[in-house]
Amino acid sequence: EAQVTQNPRYLITVTGKKLTVTCSQNMNHEYMSWYRQDPGLGLRQIYYSMNVEVTDKGDVPEGYKVSRKEKRNFPLILESPSPNQTSLYFCASSFSGAGELFFGEGSRLTVL
Amino acid sequence: AQSVTQLDSQVPVFEEAPVELRCNYSSSVSVYLFWYVQYPNQGLQLLLKYLSGSTLVKGINGFEAEFNKSQTSFHLRKPSVHISDTAEYFCAVSGPIQGAQKLVFGQGTRLTINP
Repeated sequence: EAQVTQNPRYLITVTGKKLTVTCSQNMNHEYMSWYRQDPGLGLRQIYYSMNVEVTDKGDVPEGYKVSRKEKRNFPLILESPSPNQTSLYFCASSFSGAGELFFGEGSRLTVL
Repeated sequence: AQSVTQLDSQVPVFEEAPVELRCNYSSSVSVYLFWYVQYPNQGLQLLLKYLSGSTLVKGINGFEAEFNKSQTSFHLRKPSVHISDTAEYFCAVSGPIQGAQKLVFGQGTRLTINP
């Protein structure tokens, strides 16, 4: 089954404790991206990757890092989480350049 | 820069009634337009898309949308809704030059179907 898998789905952590949200897709897509969803703001792009070793900032990259060492994986790293990073995070991938995205089920992160 | 405005944050309707969710976009170049649906506690999934050609596009679950270039709109419609259509709906815009990496989402419209 074609899918985008994120882990963990739910996480409560404390300020400053480094964490990684993993994302893996099994569709051989070149394009992958991370979004955060906050009430009333829709989805905002954090980082995206056009292919292995090619990443770029989205609209809200501050406080996040990413890497793309393999085509299927695109982890999101929070080196020193802060409460304003409490949000619902989505990983997505695409086979085309147009905007038809396949989304993971989301990771709800709470930073205390 | 492109932007998307969804004109209603919440839309309550009765079951079997028609519904229209409004979306306006701003762009100085050619656009691709999308509607995504997010069911409770799930990720987003593509409902329909406009890339080129016919301005009336049909999607899954009986939804359709019409691209209106002069009014810069891409409103989503369904003639008769069901309880299972309760979800949040997102309009999004990208373009042939910008591509998926510049996909911009609206703020979302929460559709609630009442029996």
